[in-house]
Amino acid sequence: RKEVEQDPGPFNVPEGATVAFNCTYSNSASQSFFWYRQDCRKEPKLLMSVYSSGNEDGRFTAQLNRASQYISLLIRDSKLSDSATYLCVVGGSDSWGKLQFGAGTQVVVTP
Amino acid sequence: DGGITQSPKYLFRKEGQNVTLSCEQNLNHDAMYWYRQDPGQGLRLIYYSQIVNDFQKGDIAEGYSVSREKKESFPLTVTSAQKNPTAFYLCASSSTGTIETQYFGPGTRLLVL
Repeated sequence: RKEVEQDPGPFNVPEGATVAFNCTYSNSASQSFFWYRQDCRKEPKLLMSVYSSGNEDGRFTAQLNRASQYISLLIRDSKLSDSATYLCVVGGSDSWGKLQFGAGTQVVVTP
Repeated sequence: DGGITQSPKYLFRKEGQNVTLSCEQNLNHDAMYWYRQDPGQGLRLIYYSQIVNDFQKGDIAEGYSVSREKKESFPLTVTSAQKNPTAFYLCASSSTGTIETQYFGPGTRLLVL
């Protein structure tokens, strides 16, 4: 079983619509959680950290469910520029715990 | 501008050849990392360094070597022992441990001739 699992998609989303997807993780002691965005053939870039209480950054909302061991990302009012692969990243149980990367969820926003 | 640079953008390796990928950061970060990304897979950790003159193996260190002689630099050598080196190599840094955000360089694509 992979330590971080994501639905690879693609999620085809009409412009202006809302899309949400989850990521599950296996290490219940994980302490840090992130969503990164990766464009085709480019490096990952931090989209947002995920906090226990959930957090929002503009049109993006991230939630953490420790009991069920998943994090979610919701994108509202999707833009064409939101088309990318979204990587779920989960840290270890201490400050040097190894990060585990999901393989990514592809989102395609269509006009 | 602060950031991480990697060179070259593309690198071609011949059979039996060692090649070195460059990674430099001017973010004053203590920690640096090397990852490998293959299609359809998550990033996998090759090596990491918490401080100058110290580094540890990641999950897939076989066939690779690193050095950390300066805080700003963390070069990765892909040796001839690495039998399947074709991949996208990403260097990252963070201020301290992995609990902090990692920032990535633009990557190097390594292809085998």
